Amino acid sequence: QVQLVQSGVEVKKPGSSVKVSCKASGGTLNNFAISWVRQAPGLGLEWMGGIIPMFGTTNYAQKFQDRITFKADISTNTIYMDLNTLTSEDTAVYYCARYYYGSGTYENGVFYMDVWGRGTPVTVSS
Amino acid sequence: EIVLTQSPDTLSLSPGQRATLSCRASQDLSIYLAWFQQKPGQPPRLLIYDASTRASGTPARFRGSGSGTDFTLTISSLEPEDVAFYFCQHRRNWPWTFGQGTKVELK
Repeated sequence: QVQLVQSGVEVKKPGSSVKVSCKASGGTLNNFAISWVRQAPGLGLEWMGGIIPMFGTTNYAQKFQDRITFKADISTNTIYMDLNTLTSEDTAVYYCARYYYGSGTYENGVFYMDVWGRGTPVTVSS
Repeated sequence: EIVLTQSPDTLSLSPGQRATLSCRASQDLSIYLAWFQQKPGQPPRLLIYDASTRASGTPARFRGSGSGTDFTLTISSLEPEDVAFYFCQHRRNWPWTFGQGTKVELK
């Protein structure tokens, strides 16, 4: 069973950038894409966008479009999220999550996030 | 952007009682809705997809229903381990969005 292993805690200054990694271990990402979802303290979940690692195809939520980049390193099964121009409002736990996008059926549905990383806490503070 | 509104905000029930959680969409989702369970300090866990199909490992006491704009998650007999936040999420189009969540607690 594939697991998504995320990088550790980050503390950043306003205006800086953060890079969070998400490594798929124990399986392949063939026919799977990765979404990024964040959760501010005590608040709900916010979808930020996704990437199909095999092709490098990305899809960003409009809110983040100008300052977010997703990249995939297929050789290491690792996906990266870069978020720049950070403000205190970016303080959150950042999750990566896998979803199946291939043709045919899949046990947990198509385009549903069924495997999640444990999250990377990012604090933005001066 | 599709807005998902969940109700109630908090549900306080005794073990063994039925829990009924609602999720209403601002646009027609067909059946493209999922339910997640999230416990403190943990990532969300997929419970239900396509409105009514249980994900792998989801106990049978969890039942999803609905289509279009009105959806329901029912826990037939509440267990202590079901204490958590529950979120609905659509995949009808981009951007995917989540409801604000319902907290299920024991009375």
